[in-house]
Amino acid sequence: AQKITQTQPGMFVQEKEAVTLDCTYDTSDPSYGLFWYKQPSSGEMIFLIYQGSYDQQNATEGRYSLNFQKARKSANLVISASQLGDSAMYFCAMREPPGFQKLVFGTGTRLLVSP
Amino acid sequence: SAVISQKPSRDICQRGTSLTIQCQVDSQVTMMFWYRQQPGQSLTLIATANQGSEATYESGFVIDKFPISRPNLTFSTLTVSNMSPEDSSIYLCSVVVGTGPNQPQHFGDGTRLSIL
Repeated sequence: AQKITQTQPGMFVQEKEAVTLDCTYDTSDPSYGLFWYKQPSSGEMIFLIYQGSYDQQNATEGRYSLNFQKARKSANLVISASQLGDSAMYFCAMREPPGFQKLVFGTGTRLLVSP
Repeated sequence: SAVISQKPSRDICQRGTSLTIQCQVDSQVTMMFWYRQQPGQSLTLIATANQGSEATYESGFVIDKFPISRPNLTFSTLTVSNMSPEDSSIYLCSVVVGTGPNQPQHFGDGTRLSIL
């Protein structure tokens, strides 16, 4: 079964608008961590934001925030005030016990920001 | 954070040959991870490399095809053996610096491999 599901293969947004990228996950463990990464066309993987399963508040990092709904097992990334440089692939990933080391990635969402 | 250097950054290889990818980290790390990203796909973990022990391979990946070395806490190599066009991918090295479930994985810039 898929551990991480990203149902939006592609998303379009206009500059300065907000956009939400969806991510649902599947785990039976109460302790886990969720990550979002950005991969521009140049290929590097850039860490954006983290949400722990026990965190009481939604994570925020600058223009990035996480809409974490634990009961629904969703961790959607919200990008506010989109910029042209936000055009990239976005991957949701999860880390579980034991060890909390390896990451399992979703299939990704390609975001295109238009002027 | 960590600075991860991968070499080569890209290569074009002939079918049946092997290529070794190097990964150097600027700090000591316990585990190093090797991922494969096939064209238009997500990242798939190949193996986890611990210093001083055999690498742990994920389902679908075998040591004969992807031998890994981990001679010390800052360096690892991944060899892609007997290459075929299906091995054309980006190969990424990754590490976690520090402990705790909230520590992100940091990635090298990847090796873009094309097999003719």
